[in-house]
Amino acid sequence: EVQLVESGGGLVQPGGSLRLSCAASGFIFTNYWMTWVRQAPGKGLEWVANINHDGSQTNYLDSLKGRITISRDNAKSSVYLQMNSLRAEDTAVYYCVRYLLWGPGTLVTVSS
Amino acid sequence: DIQMTQSPSTLSASAGDRVTITCRASQSISTSLAWYQQKPGKAPKVLIYQASSLETGVPSRFSGSGSGTEFTLTISSLQPDDFATYFCQQYNSYPRTFGQGTKVDVK
Repeated sequence: EVQLVESGGGLVQPGGSLRLSCAASGFIFTNYWMTWVRQAPGKGLEWVANINHDGSQTNYLDSLKGRITISRDNAKSSVYLQMNSLRAEDTAVYYCVRYLLWGPGTLVTVSS
Repeated sequence: DIQMTQSPSTLSASAGDRVTITCRASQSISTSLAWYQQKPGKAPKVLIYQASSLETGVPSRFSGSGSGTEFTLTISSLQPDDFATYFCQQYNSYPRTFGQGTKVDVK
């Protein structure tokens, strides 16, 4: 089955760090750019970052540059989002996205 | 950044109605536009890509059109399962940006 499954979300204190993971299956992972998109509770969708097939190119939302890093491990068919210096406004469901395919999301809550 | 503006923000309709949602880009994005449907607590589902291509498995009552800066999503005959929120997204340039969403609810 073609799918993406995110993990690593949870409750973290302001200023803390979190690493999200996304496991891909059912398709040739190395054929695709991979993307992270987030959605704050009750809000719209916000593109966060993406990474090319071999990890040599990355793009980030300007407002998050310096606090996040996207990476991938093609041997594990996985993509990651490292998030540092987390703030309350980073609270959101984080979705892993491939062209035309979304994972179910993982909730990150930043609160003391 | 390219701003994507959807209208209306909310649309009240009845089953069987023809529904049209508009998405305007602040600059030309050619046909690099996707439409998504989202239901509460669920991930967005791709309906349309490249402005007018119907994703596999999506009912033919959904259609997309447009190019440049103006795009539309049309549902030819609204079904009970279609009450949801719809988003457009441009993928012509970075950062990728989304419209604010259109909620289709029961009239």
